[in-house]
Amino acid sequence: TQLLEQSPQFLSIQEGENLTVYCNSSSVFSSLQWYRQEPGEGPVLLVTVVTGGEVKKLKRLTFQFGDARKDSSLHITAAQPGDTGLYLCAVWGNRDDKIIFGKGTRLHILP
Amino acid sequence: NAGVMQNPRHLVRRRGQEARLRCSPVKGHSHVYWYRQLPEEGLKFMVYLQKENIIDESGMPKERFSAEFPKEGPSILRIQQVVRGDSAAYFCASSFSIATNEKLFFGSGTQLSVL
Repeated sequence: TQLLEQSPQFLSIQEGENLTVYCNSSSVFSSLQWYRQEPGEGPVLLVTVVTGGEVKKLKRLTFQFGDARKDSSLHITAAQPGDTGLYLCAVWGNRDDKIIFGKGTRLHILP
Repeated sequence: NAGVMQNPRHLVRRRGQEARLRCSPVKGHSHVYWYRQLPEEGLKFMVYLQKENIIDESGMPKERFSAEFPKEGPSILRIQQVVRGDSAAYFCASSFSIATNEKLFFGSGTQLSVL
């Protein structure tokens, strides 16, 4: 079973539209991270959310941590072609010795 | 400041050969992680090393795969007698510590192709 379920798996939308992607789990986490990975490169950390209900903004990206700290969402306003990539949510494992990733949402923004 | 450096970027091997993937972490980082990524998939944890010690290898196949992080030099992920199923992108990451909010810095990966 997958610890982190991300949805949708794939999303292709027109430039200028808004979108939301989700990261869900039945487990409670002390923090959750979002990474973006571009083709041929490693993931890059976008944000870490720590407190239940926390909202963090990064330009046109808004990240929210669920009140119960089991899930998170990423909302992109007015998507641009440069937002294209694989968005991964991740958490530290139970033993705090490794980061575990979801399978990701592959986002494609059409110009 | 140099980030995580992985080499080679691309590695082609025939079945039965050995593959050696190298990773130099961010300067000052003593925690190194290896992940494998298949096309259209997320990253699967393989092994976590802290200078000269393997801390967690729960994601690494028991046979043919080994990893090391010597006192001097890069971390090495070694795959012996490669098979076609080993074809994947292998990413190395490093961190300064393992605190819960710690950030991982990733390299650009090594794309292994087994013919």
